[in-house]
Amino acid sequence: EVQLVESGGGLVKPGGSLRLSCAASGFSFSGYSMNWVRRAPGKGLEWLSSISGGSGYIYSADSVKGRFTISRDNAKNSLFLQMNSLRADDTAVYYCARYSHGDHYWYFDLWGRGTLVTVSS
Amino acid sequence: QTVVTQEPSFSVSPGGTVTLTCGLSSGSVSTSYYPSWYQQTPGQAPRTLIYSTNTRSSGVPDRFSGSILGNKAALTITGAQADDESDYYCMLYMGGGIVVFGGGTKLTVL
Repeated sequence: EVQLVESGGGLVKPGGSLRLSCAASGFSFSGYSMNWVRRAPGKGLEWLSSISGGSGYIYSADSVKGRFTISRDNAKNSLFLQMNSLRADDTAVYYCARYSHGDHYWYFDLWGRGTLVTVSS
Repeated sequence: QTVVTQEPSFSVSPGGTVTLTCGLSSGSVSTSYYPSWYQQTPGQAPRTLIYSTNTRSSGVPDRFSGSILGNKAALTITGAQADDESDYYCMLYMGGGIVVFGGGTKLTVL
């Protein structure tokens, strides 16, 4: 089955760190760029970061640059998000999502169910 | 900073037609932004509806359609059903691997 499964969420204190994981299955993981997207309570979807199949291209939203780092291990079909210096407004459900892109399209074609991160003292 | 705009909320009667829009704080949305649309109900993962302006994702019923209307991307739902009550997000590709979501539209079917 083609799927993405996130893990690693939980309760963390402000200023703390957390590492999220996303396990991919059912497709050729190394052939796809992957992303992290979040949705904070009462807010909309927010794209955070993307990484190309070979990790050669990494892009991040300004809101997380310098604090969050995306990475991947193609041998283990896994995507990661290292989150440092966490703040209360980082509280959200974090989704792993697969990019599908070509000459005339660029969109998310596969989503995980998400993992909840709560930043609170 | 580019802001992608959507109506915060919209209401439609069962069986009715509704068009949600996706604009830019500065400039016009064109097909070059590869507009895509996502549906999300509470507690669920987002579901991809439309990509590349007007291509339906696999399994999406044909009562969902995408287009460019004037200077905005648009998602039209024809024959709205109760389970269409969700949050809808558009997303635009800005180039350089960067995408931006709109703020989302909360659709009520009543």
